[in-house]
Amino acid sequence: EAQVTQNPRYLITVTGKKLTVTCSQNMNHEYMSWYRQDPGLGLRQIYYSMNVEVTDKGDVPEGYKVSRKEKRNFPLILESPSPNQTSLYFCASRPPGPNTEAFFGQGTRLTVV
Amino acid sequence: AQKVTQAQTEISVVEKEDVTLDCVYETRDTTYYLFWYKQPPSGELVFLIRRNSFDEQNEISGRYSWNFQKSTSSFNFTITASQVVDSAVYFCALSGEYNFNKFYFGSGTKLNVKP
Repeated sequence: EAQVTQNPRYLITVTGKKLTVTCSQNMNHEYMSWYRQDPGLGLRQIYYSMNVEVTDKGDVPEGYKVSRKEKRNFPLILESPSPNQTSLYFCASRPPGPNTEAFFGQGTRLTVV
Repeated sequence: AQKVTQAQTEISVVEKEDVTLDCVYETRDTTYYLFWYKQPPSGELVFLIRRNSFDEQNEISGRYSWNFQKSTSSFNFTITASQVVDSAVYFCALSGEYNFNKFYFGSGTKLNVKP
């Protein structure tokens, strides 16, 4: 089954404690992205990757890091989480080309206290 | 600049009513792509439809229909004979011709369908 898998689904952590949210896709897609969803703001792109070792900032990259060492994996790293990073996070993958839809993971609800 | 506006924050209807969710977009791209996604209470994002800017044909899929009008920069979504299972947050999104790695999402419309 074609899917994007995020882990964990839920996470409560404390300010400053480094964490990683993993994302893996089995569709051999080149493009992968991370979004955060906040009430009233929709989804905003954090980082994206167009292929292995190619990553770039989205609209809200501050406080986040990513890496793309393998095509299937695109982890999101919060080196020093803060309460304003409490949000619902989605990983997405997409085939190349603009006329394609994105496939989203199930979401990770992160709470930073 | 790319932007998607969903002015309706929340809509409540009674089952079997028809409901239209509005989506207005801004883009300078000549070619662009519009999408609708559904987010049910379980939280995942479910793809509903994709529309190219050069294809203004309306589309119907069962109880769902989409009205794309370039003249008004709108891509509205109508649910006919709504059902409780349609209760969800619906997002409209835009992808441009050049920076197509990115979706620009509207803020979403929460639809409540009451029995």
